[in-house]
Amino acid sequence: KAGVTQTPRYLIKTRGQQVTLSCSPISGHRSVSWYQQTPGQGLQFLFEYFSETQRNKGNFPGRFSGRQFSNSRSEMNVSTLELGDSALYLCASSRTGARDQPQHFGDGTRLSIL
Amino acid sequence: AQRVTQPEKLLSVFKGAPVELKCNYSYSGSPELFWYVQYSRQRLQLLLRHISRESIKGFTADLNKGETSFHLKKPFAQEEDSAMYYCALSADGNTDKLIFGTGTRLQVFP
Repeated sequence: KAGVTQTPRYLIKTRGQQVTLSCSPISGHRSVSWYQQTPGQGLQFLFEYFSETQRNKGNFPGRFSGRQFSNSRSEMNVSTLELGDSALYLCASSRTGARDQPQHFGDGTRLSIL
Repeated sequence: AQRVTQPEKLLSVFKGAPVELKCNYSYSGSPELFWYVQYSRQRLQLLLRHISRESIKGFTADLNKGETSFHLKKPFAQEEDSAMYYCALSADGNTDKLIFGTGTRLQVFP
């Protein structure tokens, strides 16, 4: 079974631009979550999608948005990029998103803002 | 507020020594707790979860609600245990939102 796949692996952008990151969950998994990982703040929850609906959202500004498609693939978008958005963005999937289910993580997309 | 605290950034031990990675949480409800591990150049992966009460790779973790702790223990450390370990709390009812601690890097010397 293929794991969670994130594309692209690396991205370099400049301030003010926007970016879209993609995540393909494990086959059969319907819940997709996104996390931001930085040296200063660690791993922080961005949002979770289940059946194309955002089910939970972390404390990030509205510049961070996402969506999920009918095949459970998810994208997250960051607009008006700032230097502080430089981070590793991780996607995780689980079958239903129930609390006791383990999440399976992808390798992440490393975003660098110049 | 929901919070996970891992007080040690780095823990260094020799092979064969006991290991205890500390994790304390703050949550007023009934928590679901996990330990995730990230080996060098590998993705973050689940090590164990308290609900399973299992031992994985010789590691165990017991939920102590009185002390609000979920420490990870192994009686005899191996070099291959060297990795970054994250304690995580699932607090919300029906979502995948995980609150992570800042992580502890375990170094096991030969």
